[in-house]
Amino acid sequence: DQQVKQNSPSLSVQEGRISILNCDYTNSMFDYFLWYKKYPAEGPTFLISISSIKDKNEDGRFTVFLNKSAKHLSLHIVPSQPGDSAVYFCAASRNSGYALNFGKGTSLLVTP
Amino acid sequence: EAQVTQNPRYLITVTGKKLTVTCSQNMNHEYMSWYRQDPGLGLRQIYYSMNVEVTDKGDVPEGYKVSRKEKRNFPLILESPSPNQTSLYFCASSSPGQGNEKLFFGSGTQLSVL
Repeated sequence: DQQVKQNSPSLSVQEGRISILNCDYTNSMFDYFLWYKKYPAEGPTFLISISSIKDKNEDGRFTVFLNKSAKHLSLHIVPSQPGDSAVYFCAASRNSGYALNFGKGTSLLVTP
Repeated sequence: EAQVTQNPRYLITVTGKKLTVTCSQNMNHEYMSWYRQDPGLGLRQIYYSMNVEVTDKGDVPEGYKVSRKEKRNFPLILESPSPNQTSLYFCASSSPGQGNEKLFFGSGTQLSVL
């Protein structure tokens, strides 16, 4: 059973606008959440993470929001750039260092 | 350069012919793991290893074997491949205390089993 869900397989956004990628999880034991970015023909690379003791973490154009009561997190990219076009995976673990549970990924396309 | 190296990048084989996908990391990481990526299913963990001679099953271990005789190497073995093992495979590594944000992935191995 999928414990981390990304219900939008794809998203298209205009350059300069905000991209919002969503992720839901079912396991209340998860306390560490990450976003990975993947370009074609490359392995995933770490983008940003958040611990369950926080509700927001920001790194440049990327911000992750965590709503523990709703078991929901989102990744905001502002402003979106064409180079952001990639597949984004949401992942969760019971604590940092344990095996990750990945979502199915959301393919983001940023158009000029 | 810090990296996780997988070989081969592409492999086409036939049902039942044993194969090994190699994985090597040069970062002295204790933790290594194998994932497979399938359309509509995302990344699923096959096996992982917390250190030399310590391996454990992930979510989808059936049909796979691994070994961890040396810290840097973590080969994935398919003793008798079947078409449902056609997939994109990723090896990854990290070091305890650094957390999953320091999980480094290889570039992937695209396997086709005919």
